[in-house]
Amino acid sequence: GENVEQHPSTLSVQEGDSAVIKCTYSDSASNYFPWYKQELGKGPQLIIDIRSNVGEKKDQRIAVTLNKTAKHFSLHITETQPEDSAVYFCAASGTRSGGGADGLTFGKGTHLIIQP
Amino acid sequence: KAGVTQTPRYLIKTRGQQVTLSCSPISGHRSVSWYQQTPGQGLQFLFEYFSETQRNKGNFPGRFSGRQFSNSRSEMNVSTLELGDSALYLCASSEPVPDTQYFGPGTRLTVL
Repeated sequence: GENVEQHPSTLSVQEGDSAVIKCTYSDSASNYFPWYKQELGKGPQLIIDIRSNVGEKKDQRIAVTLNKTAKHFSLHITETQPEDSAVYFCAASGTRSGGGADGLTFGKGTHLIIQP
Repeated sequence: KAGVTQTPRYLIKTRGQQVTLSCSPISGHRSVSWYQQTPGQGLQFLFEYFSETQRNKGNFPGRFSGRQFSNSRSEMNVSTLELGDSALYLCASSEPVPDTQYFGPGTRLTVL
């Protein structure tokens, strides 16, 4: 089955600086890579996703890059703000021949701390 | 649109009991997936239901089961609870295409 590794487990950056979180996946059949943000006491919130036919996607201060050959994808957050402090999860899934997607396989999470 | 709702939000049970958790998907979404989140194992996929049929299943014992109703609402059941079943149980809903999953707030289950 799919295996997703996520690094680092904790990332502390100064407010206004950039943060980068990296993930690798093992199954070359995976074709969908979402990123979720989870705040204390809440469920994961989708912040951005990318599919395997695209190399990069950007949404305001957030961007995701995908390297299919190397099987890794990264989340980039620029101009970090205090409200960016949370746990971030990467995930991967593939499309099954019978339709629909496989269940998401998640990384272990990165605790992002924005220092004022 | 209203988001995914889960009830109850918190639950305390004792070993050996069974529990049923409920999930209402986003209006119009027909796929519902369930995940277990624990500090040790992280987020793990339990199963997915689409049009009242289980379409995909993760690696969990048969004590974990689910069902989906004609209105797409879903329930999951855990029988013979064990201490290790203490976790946050998350429900996610999606449209068939695209398969982007949106999560609810979760049900926090504590097994004593």
